[in-house]
Amino acid sequence: GAGVSQTPSNKVTEKGKYVELRCDPISGHTALYWYRQSLGQGPEFLIYFQGTGAADDSGLPNDRFFAVRPEGSVSTLKIQRTERGDSAVYLCASSFAGANTEAFFGQGTRLTVV
Amino acid sequence: AQSVTQPDIHITVSEGASLELRCNYSYGATPYLFWYVQSPGQGLQLLLKYFSGDTLVQGIKGFEAEFKRSQSSFNLRKPSVHWSDAAEYFCAVGAGAGGGNKLTFGTGTQLKVEL
Repeated sequence: GAGVSQTPSNKVTEKGKYVELRCDPISGHTALYWYRQSLGQGPEFLIYFQGTGAADDSGLPNDRFFAVRPEGSVSTLKIQRTERGDSAVYLCASSFAGANTEAFFGQGTRLTVV
Repeated sequence: AQSVTQPDIHITVSEGASLELRCNYSYGATPYLFWYVQSPGQGLQLLLKYFSGDTLVQGIKGFEAEFKRSQSSFNLRKPSVHWSDAAEYFCAVGAGAGGGNKLTFGTGTQLKVEL
């Protein structure tokens, strides 16, 4: 596809369950970002990949959150032992390498923990 | 640590009126500054960005923004608002060369346009 694709678009899970959120970046984009947007807030940075490696994971809130990008393209955000406070829209963005580039955002995955 | 403040949570303007959305940032070095728009059910779309050079930057959809270092501001303007501009607007500051597009966002301003 032409844009950043995130699946699923909506996910409802029970407290304590494990979830995986997927991001397909724009082809050729080496940088990939995950953000979390809670209701009424701006997006908050979680993690940034350059290629296969996490260049900056300083935004991950705790060790229940983990992300991978094994082949430098698709990324998966994994959340263990979900809590109600994890409910938010999880956004993925991709860009070419470097700061002087535009990041393109996907439409997000709305996660609801009940 | 970098931060962004958008002091106006909601703004209502009449169609055809001018618009200014405020943004103040805190950053230790020369900032990379962005404005994004988010419509319901849509992803974030970049309106414009400032990296260096001319402090008045032009963006898409007729928007512009002016970087004022002395005021730590990057306000977004549009001379004549259209009903389709109703959306949420986010100002963001970037980490710079080493951080790529690692952005710190403000809490957003919800724009309502009255016909």
